[in-house]
Amino acid sequence: NAGVTQTPKFQVLKTGQSMTLQCAQDMNHEYMSWYRQDPGMGLRLIHYSVGAGITDQGEVPNGYNVSRSTTEDFPLRLLSAAPSQTSVYFCASSSGLRLSGNTIYFGEGSWLTVV
Amino acid sequence: GIQVEQSPPDLILQEGANSTLRCNFSDSVNNLQWFHQNPWGQLINLFYIPSGTKQNGRLSATTVATERYSLLYISSSQTTDSGVYFCAVAQGGSEKLVFGKGTKLTVNP
Repeated sequence: NAGVTQTPKFQVLKTGQSMTLQCAQDMNHEYMSWYRQDPGMGLRLIHYSVGAGITDQGEVPNGYNVSRSTTEDFPLRLLSAAPSQTSVYFCASSSGLRLSGNTIYFGEGSWLTVV
Repeated sequence: GIQVEQSPPDLILQEGANSTLRCNFSDSVNNLQWFHQNPWGQLINLFYIPSGTKQNGRLSATTVATERYSLLYISSSQTTDSGVYFCAVAQGGSEKLVFGKGTKLTVNP
């Protein structure tokens, strides 16, 4: 059981480039989400999905796109990278936050630097 | 939206000491979780505890939902307990998990 797998682990981008952070889970979880972590800010929710074909915005969605074509995958796209998007990105999945007892599982993180 | 405040922001202990970390939240919640982020960045779920008390080894947690706070207790701390501890909450009907800014714990040998 791999859990939540993120790729790449490290990436350096130039301003204006686009890229996709991949996230896959093998736990058959309906809920998936992306967070960014900046120093002193905790984790902030970018986008989330409660099932295939359904996505919604979190606290800081600007500059990011997501799609959910399968239960397993939830890629995060940066359309035109900016230095303000330099951060550590975490993908997470759960059976559903509204259901009692459901915890959330995180990937190992993707370190992104935009120069 | 809901606000989550954690205290203290930083905590330095000697190995063997006990500690209490606090999480205050501004509205009723149906989901509250504690996480440990180790020095390598990995986030590990410690407790799912929207109310009541749970224990797991040297760690225990208590949430008093009516007073909107949760406490994480670490007893006989070890150097491997170092890292950042996060509290995260979700309100009833919400799928958005909101994190506090964390408590950075350093345990010295």
